[in-house]
Amino acid sequence: DTGVSQDPRHKITKRGQNVTFRCDPISEHNRLYWYRQTLGQGPEFLTYFQNEAQLEKSRLLSDRFSAERPKGSFSTLEIQRTEQGDSAMYLCASSPQAAYNYGYTFGSGTRLTVV
Amino acid sequence: DAKTTQPPSMDCAEGRAANLPCNHSTISGNEYVYWYRQIHSQGPQYIIHGLKNNETNEMASLIITEDRKSSTLILPHATLRDTAVYYCIVRVGRDDKIIFGKGTRLHILP
Repeated sequence: DTGVSQDPRHKITKRGQNVTFRCDPISEHNRLYWYRQTLGQGPEFLTYFQNEAQLEKSRLLSDRFSAERPKGSFSTLEIQRTEQGDSAMYLCASSPQAAYNYGYTFGSGTRLTVV
Repeated sequence: DAKTTQPPSMDCAEGRAANLPCNHSTISGNEYVYWYRQIHSQGPQYIIHGLKNNETNEMASLIITEDRKSSTLILPHATLRDTAVYYCIVRVGRDDKIIFGKGTRLHILP
């Protein structure tokens, strides 16, 4: 297992289209996190899962955004009716349960451009 | 909201120690100090964390003041590959999410 994988690395879409990103965490990690990062800013928390349960969602996660983690393995983040303001890097991270004594392992991200 | 204050940018000569400061004057007794870095176009990378005591690993050292209101990340022999944005984060012991601020952009000068 080489780490957290995200697919695709880059996505260009037209405004109004739906997009879906995938994250494959480290296999033994129970916790999975999604962040969004715009240019010049630090990553912003969106949501996190413990196994298949979505335990917290940021107010940044509007009703156009939905995240799932079926069977507690990989996760998907879908954005419906994309807007130009959705253009950002979407980062996924995973960690073991009771993660306060561990760091997160991040993927390389999916860069979304909405034109 | 991030609970830390960091300088927006710093320079360090290659081969010298890079000392990155962080203020966290409102830190509580059960909150840890974490450091991450982000190299251009990559996801953040965990470096080190600590509660009260100074910590050292293969990447860096973390010095936390006795009152825990500030800390310093030390990269002992900086190389060009250490050029990155460094984030200092305060995190409640059992909180499950990390909140990033804007970090310090560290430039290593050849």
